[in-house]
Amino acid sequence: AQKITQTQPGMFVQEKEAVTLDCTYDTSDPSYGLFWYKQPSSGEMIFLIYQGSYDQQNATEGRYSLNFQKARKSANLVISASQLGDSAMYFCAMREHNQGGKLIFGQGTELSVKP
Amino acid sequence: DAGVIQSPRHEVTEMGQEVTLRCKPISGHDYLFWYRQTMMRGLELLIYFNNNVPIDDSGMPEDRFSAKMPNASFSTLKIQPSEPRDSAVYFCASSPDREAFFGQGTRLTVV
Repeated sequence: AQKITQTQPGMFVQEKEAVTLDCTYDTSDPSYGLFWYKQPSSGEMIFLIYQGSYDQQNATEGRYSLNFQKARKSANLVISASQLGDSAMYFCAMREHNQGGKLIFGQGTELSVKP
Repeated sequence: DAGVIQSPRHEVTEMGQEVTLRCKPISGHDYLFWYRQTMMRGLELLIYFNNNVPIDDSGMPEDRFSAKMPNASFSTLKIQPSEPRDSAVYFCASSPDREAFFGQGTRLTVV
């Protein structure tokens, strides 16, 4: 069964510093994708970054990077140079390509950026 | 494309009434997902479709919940009869074969 675990219910970071949000996953499917989404207080779900299980390099999108450690089954999100607008809920998600394309989410981490 | 469109944005209904939530996915996306978000249970996958066919409805909580996708541009999630514990934000999302794009959600309150 698929499983996504985010062990940090809440995190604080000082503005302009980097922060790492943890995510571990469990799957037996060799072909899968990992995702991070941001949900600000306004409620919309915003796609941030994607990592494929066969990708050799860690994904990066602007200030976001995904620290993908396949053997450890972890897919941590790193946000560099935090901004006040980064304060939000962050969700890790996984999709198994050989199991019908199901997309499931972790419980989320609430990030607060302090000025 | 206007993105995933959900209606209504807000719904307040009395316990026992039927509620229908609607979703228009992004054109060309083969997958459509319905999620429910609450503080207690987080973001739960209720059901998803591929090419209008339901693939996995194991997340549908009870027989009171049903979902349909009669064509590639429309899906509904119905709750009949509704109960106060159904109060939540319901999201629809559509996807090609990678990331999913979410609608704005429907905030349902059952009193």
